[in-house]
Amino acid sequence: GDSVTQMEGPVTLSEEAFLTINCTYTATGYPSLFWYVQYPGEGLQLLLKATKADDKGSNKGFEATYRKETTSFHLEKGSVQVSDSAVYFCALSGYGGSQGNLIFGKGTKLSVKP
Amino acid sequence: GAGVSQSPSNKVTEKGKDVELRCDPISGHTALYWYRQSLGQGLEFLIYFQGNSAPDKSGLPSDRFSAERTGGSVSTLTIQRTQQEDSAVYLCASSLGSIDSYEQYFGPGTRLTVT
Repeated sequence: GDSVTQMEGPVTLSEEAFLTINCTYTATGYPSLFWYVQYPGEGLQLLLKATKADDKGSNKGFEATYRKETTSFHLEKGSVQVSDSAVYFCALSGYGGSQGNLIFGKGTKLSVKP
Repeated sequence: GAGVSQSPSNKVTEKGKDVELRCDPISGHTALYWYRQSLGQGLEFLIYFQGNSAPDKSGLPSDRFSAERTGGSVSTLTIQRTQQEDSAVYLCASSLGSIDSYEQYFGPGTRLTVT
């Protein structure tokens, strides 16, 4: 079945460091890909998404490109801030997007130190 | 405007008891999703509703789990004869429609602890 694999955490970085969180997927059909973020004490919220191959999603300085050839959707940010400390989840839409239910990776906890 | 709300925020129950978890979606959102977040399994999809219908119940882990939605709005997730492995955070999300082009908005979750 469809699945998402993302790098295990936790990841600890200094402020202004470069961030990459790897995400690869297995899917039938043509799903959309998402990154969700869960800040401490808050609910899950959509960070960015891409709906087709070669699309780039971006938001708040974060970017991810939908790479069909490598089945990947790696999250990157050029310069992280303490406020980026959170758990990040990669996800894809099940059933090729026809239903909208999300299949999540296990999450990567990011801690950014001043 | 108001987001997705869930109640209770925390629930502690004894093994074998039944529990009901409630989700109030954003007004006008026709699609509603239930997920479970646990340490061992991560975030798992349980069930979704389009209107009052549940086309996909494949994620429900056992027949002790059921859900309903009335009036195209509020949904309840019921767990009968709770077991310790049911302990998790249960998340509800809603969206304007049930295809993936619509963003899902998540509630704060209900933390269920089965003792």
